[in-house]
Amino acid sequence: DAGITQSPRYKITETGRQVTLMCHQTWSHSYMFWYRQDLGHGLRLIYYSAAADITDKGEVPDGYVVSRSKTENFPLTLESATRSQTSVYFCASSRTGELFFGEGSRLTVL
Amino acid sequence: AQRVTQPEKLLSVFKGAPVELKCNYSYSGSPELFWYVQYSRQRLQLLLRHISRESIKGFTADLNKGETSFHLKKPFAQEEDSAMYYCALSGPETSGSRLTFGEGTQLTVNP
Repeated sequence: DAGITQSPRYKITETGRQVTLMCHQTWSHSYMFWYRQDLGHGLRLIYYSAAADITDKGEVPDGYVVSRSKTENFPLTLESATRSQTSVYFCASSRTGELFFGEGSRLTVL
Repeated sequence: AQRVTQPEKLLSVFKGAPVELKCNYSYSGSPELFWYVQYSRQRLQLLLRHISRESIKGFTADLNKGETSFHLKKPFAQEEDSAMYYCALSGPETSGSRLTFGEGTQLTVNP
């Protein structure tokens, strides 16, 4: 039972480069989310999706793009990475109010 | 706007001592409150939610609407309770289980 998986787990990139973080779930949950985790800020919602082809902004969407062409995949793209986007990114899906999280993707932007 | 506040970023107790992790929220309606936990090298996972009224791993939390609080308590802390704890809120403004999280409290239980 794979559940929800994220890739890559670790990524180092340079300012200005495009980066895509992948998220895949095997439960067919309708809702999926991207959060970033930063010291002093806790978890902040970047984008979420209610179903395939339906996405909406969260609390901190600037600089990020998402898509959801299939229910099971919810990639997050940083179109032009900045140092302030250095963070740990968590993907999650939900069922009956409970969120199920991936293991996280640690991104460093130099 | 809804908001979750965890006033303590760090909390350190000794094994066997009682522990209370504070959580306050602001929300105009009837929220649903959660506690999530992240153990070292593990995923974030649900610890408990107020509607279930369960005790998980000895932890309990009571929703106090008058004080707008949802503090997490355990009478006798164990070393394995050391982790990052997040309080979270969901309500009609955040449909589909979209949660607003607090900043988190890092709990350390010393031997």
